[in-house]
Amino acid sequence: QKEVEQNSGPLSVPEGAIASLNCTYSDRGSQSFFWYRQYSGKSPELIMSIYSNGDKEDGRFTAQLNKASQYVSLLIRDSQPSDSATYLCAVGGYNKLIFGAGTRLAVHP
Amino acid sequence: KAGVTQTPRYLIKTRGQQVTLSCSPISGHRSVSWYQQTPGQGLQFLFEYFSETQRNKGNFPGRFSGRQFSNSRSEMNVSTLELGDSALYLCASSFDPAGTGIQSEQFFGPGTRLTVL
Repeated sequence: QKEVEQNSGPLSVPEGAIASLNCTYSDRGSQSFFWYRQYSGKSPELIMSIYSNGDKEDGRFTAQLNKASQYVSLLIRDSQPSDSATYLCAVGGYNKLIFGAGTRLAVHP
Repeated sequence: KAGVTQTPRYLIKTRGQQVTLSCSPISGHRSVSWYQQTPGQGLQFLFEYFSETQRNKGNFPGRFSGRQFSNSRSEMNVSTLELGDSALYLCASSFDPAGTGIQSEQFFGPGTRLTVL
C-alpha cells in the first residue's frame, strides 16, 4: 500500500463547476496535510495546509480532513481554466513530506 | 520576502560525471529538503537538513549526498551520474522554529532540471 494515494485522473470538469480531489494516507500518526498545485514544467506551489479535523476555507479552495478515515480532500469552487494543473497531496512525516502521485485536473470552457 | 532560489536552473551532464546543485532558502527558514521528481516516480524525498545536520534521508544510493551551511544554504551532490538520474531536483524550505521536525508548510524553489546523456 502506498503511503499517500490519489486518483491520477485526469479529472475533467466544466468551467464554473466544483472540482473535488481526494487523498488517503496510511500513517495514522500524521499531523499535517498539504495541497500543492503544479503546472506543467513548474515547481509545486502550496495552496492549502490543514492540521485538524474539519474544513478549512481559503477563497475558492476548501480543504477537508478526516483523521479517523485517514482522508483529505480539496474542493475547488467556480473552477477556472487556469486551475488546470496537477494537484499534489502531501502528508507530513518526521522531517519530510510524503507526496501522492498527483491528480491531473482539466477545466474546460 | 524573497522565495527559495536554486542554481543552476538547467544542467546537461554525461554519465559518470558528478554534479552539485545549490539552494538558498527563504530568509529565516532553517529546514531545507530536497526532492527528485520524475514522470514515473513522482516526487521522491532525498534528504532534509536543519541547522547543518541531516535529520532524515530517503531511499537513494550513497551517490546522492548533501550538506547545509551555517547560513542555511544547502547543496546536494550526485556523483557518478547515471541516465536514470535525469530529473527535476527540487529544494524546499520551511520555518520549523522549534526544530521539532513536525512538518509545517514547505515552499519550493523553481528546481534544477538535470539531463544526463
